Amino acid sequence: ETGVTQTPRHLVMGMTNKKSLKCEQHLGHNAMYWYKQSAKKPLELMFVYSLEERVENNSVPSRFSPECPNSSHLFLHLHTLQPEDSALYLCASSRGVLMNTEAFFGQGTRLTVV
Amino acid sequence: DAKTTQPPSMDCAEGRAANLPCNHSTISGNEYVYWYRQIHSQGPQYIIHGLKNNETNEMASLIITEDRKSSTLILPHATLRDTAVYYCIALPDAGNMLTFGGGTRLMVKP
Repeated sequence: ETGVTQTPRHLVMGMTNKKSLKCEQHLGHNAMYWYKQSAKKPLELMFVYSLEERVENNSVPSRFSPECPNSSHLFLHLHTLQPEDSALYLCASSRGVLMNTEAFFGQGTRLTVV
Repeated sequence: DAKTTQPPSMDCAEGRAANLPCNHSTISGNEYVYWYRQIHSQGPQYIIHGLKNNETNEMASLIITEDRKSSTLILPHATLRDTAVYYCIALPDAGNMLTFGGGTRLMVKP
């Protein structure tokens, strides 16, 4: 248990569906991150939020839409995904984007797009 | 951020020390060396980090060479539960956006 909780743990969705992934942390952290891990590939940083402001968007397609309503919650809204978007989506948090401290990761959401 | 290089895979016998090397020859003076591991299908887990001095915690020891161009993560008594992918990452002192490479897949065998 890392203090970062992701729901759901598994999700199967059709290409025309809209779904959302949720991440929650009560560690008092100010930075939150979304990562994508496709099969046989390294983790890719998708989005970074600092104090609820998006500070990094690594050329992620617009079918992925993040939302950070407060410093404890982070969402990833999904719509019209492709089968190649099937992956493990990981959320992480840390004390601050500009602070050299460890990050805490959730267990991830295993997404399958059919 | 400095690029790190790690062997793709290593084996270790259960109960023996696992020594995982990392090369970071272009590391700059303000970059820390971080180690994370990822057990299959779980989120990465922080292990340890250091700047110049050797560091030890309840999980592992980190040995950084004097010129800081390489480091070694040591798991003193590896168990089957230490089977995972281990990532070595260089991070500046004012930065926390982890960039993961391929890591080293450590297989601990009975």
